[in-house]
Amino acid sequence: NAGVTQTPKFRILKIGQSMTLQCTQDMNHNYMYWYRQDPGMGLKLIYYSVGAGITDKGEVPNGYNVSRSTTEDFPLRLELAAPSQTSVYFCASRGTGYEKLFFGSGTQLSVL
Amino acid sequence: ELKVEQNPLFLSMQEGKNYTIYCNYSTTSDRLYWYRQDPGKSLESLFVLLSNGAVKQEGRLMASLDTKARLSTLHITAAVHDLSATYFCAVYTQGGSEKLVFGKGTKLTVNP
Repeated sequence: NAGVTQTPKFRILKIGQSMTLQCTQDMNHNYMYWYRQDPGMGLKLIYYSVGAGITDKGEVPNGYNVSRSTTEDFPLRLELAAPSQTSVYFCASRGTGYEKLFFGSGTQLSVL
Repeated sequence: ELKVEQNPLFLSMQEGKNYTIYCNYSTTSDRLYWYRQDPGKSLESLFVLLSNGAVKQEGRLMASLDTKARLSTLHITAAVHDLSATYFCAVYTQGGSEKLVFGKGTKLTVNP
């Protein structure tokens, strides 16, 4: 079972570059989330989606964009990367009701 | 704004000892989740607590929820080295939002 798949696992960007972090789930989950994790700071919600075509901002959306054209995919776009975006990014999904989140393995991003 | 606070943030304990991690949250919620994260890894679901008075146990870990006090506890019994990890609690915001807000985590180290 693949679950939630994130690519790439590691990436180094130069300041001002752009990139897309990919997230795919094969569990037919409606809800998908993007979090960033900074050392000692827990997880901060960037964006989330409750279904295809519907997205909403989380706690720290500035500098990021998302889209949800299909149930399976929820890519996160970084425009004009900044050193403050150096972090570990996690994608997660869940079904309806009060189910737990299933997390991807994470993307470690460094902006230099 | 929902705030989720955990304490302690760092916990070093000896094998065989008992201890409790606390999770307080600032707004009404009846859904609370506990996750475990090993160093360099993703998050793994431990417990889902969905009502006042809920208690869940697995192995040496037991979680409980008191929605009136806005408090959840994660109790560790007779700790073993394999429990060394960072533990997060998370709570959904109210009002129909699907934002899951995490605490900063408790880094647990169990020493021989």
